[in-house]
Amino acid sequence: GAVVSQHPSWVICKSGTSVKIECRSLDFQATTMFWYRQFPKQSLMLMATSNEGSKATYEQGVEKDKFLINHASLTLSTLTVTSAHPEDSSFYICSARGGPRRDEQFFGPGTRLTVL
Amino acid sequence: AQKITQTQPGMFVQEKEAVTLDCTYDTSDPSYGLFWYKQPSSGEMIFLIYQGSYDQQNATEGRYSLNFQKARKSANLVISASQLGDSAMYFCAMREGWAGNTGKLIFGQGTTLQVKP
Repeated sequence: GAVVSQHPSWVICKSGTSVKIECRSLDFQATTMFWYRQFPKQSLMLMATSNEGSKATYEQGVEKDKFLINHASLTLSTLTVTSAHPEDSSFYICSARGGPRRDEQFFGPGTRLTVL
Repeated sequence: AQKITQTQPGMFVQEKEAVTLDCTYDTSDPSYGLFWYKQPSSGEMIFLIYQGSYDQQNATEGRYSLNFQKARKSANLVISASQLGDSAMYFCAMREGWAGNTGKLIFGQGTTLQVKP
């Protein structure tokens, strides 16, 4: 199956700093990428949907200025958590839609963010 | 309104036995897709099985089968011959509309499955 990578796999940062998480589709072009957030033992909550070259569509309640999404190419999307605070500590997972059947969705391994 | 509901926060099953994880959904769109994912403690999301709303037969993938009851809007996952490695969190998800739309998935609350030796 298609492979999606995320970098970094984990990050610890100080409160007030910004953190960038990359999501890459390694062997296919992703028409759409999705960013999810997951708290411990809870479900995945969709944060935003991004298409290459256009602005991301954010879900209700997600702060656009807080979580900046850039989908620069068909293989790369980035999520930047700006001015991170401890409550932003979470597991962030991206998924990419594309591949041979074009409508399949593949998940990255996730990035664990801890804000001190 | 909750569109995907998993009512079992946690389940236990004896090794080698079968287990059913419940999932009900709600949608007014006649076209939709239902997915099951496994999430072990490592956090990765592992795709297990897919059922399209127009599929005539229940989906099967190895030891996984999906008991699709359209009229009842349920899509239960059946795992046969449970193995210790099946211990994980399991999510049911739905994608509304044709595959040509945005394709975003809505997830249920998840069920934690523990397989006992």
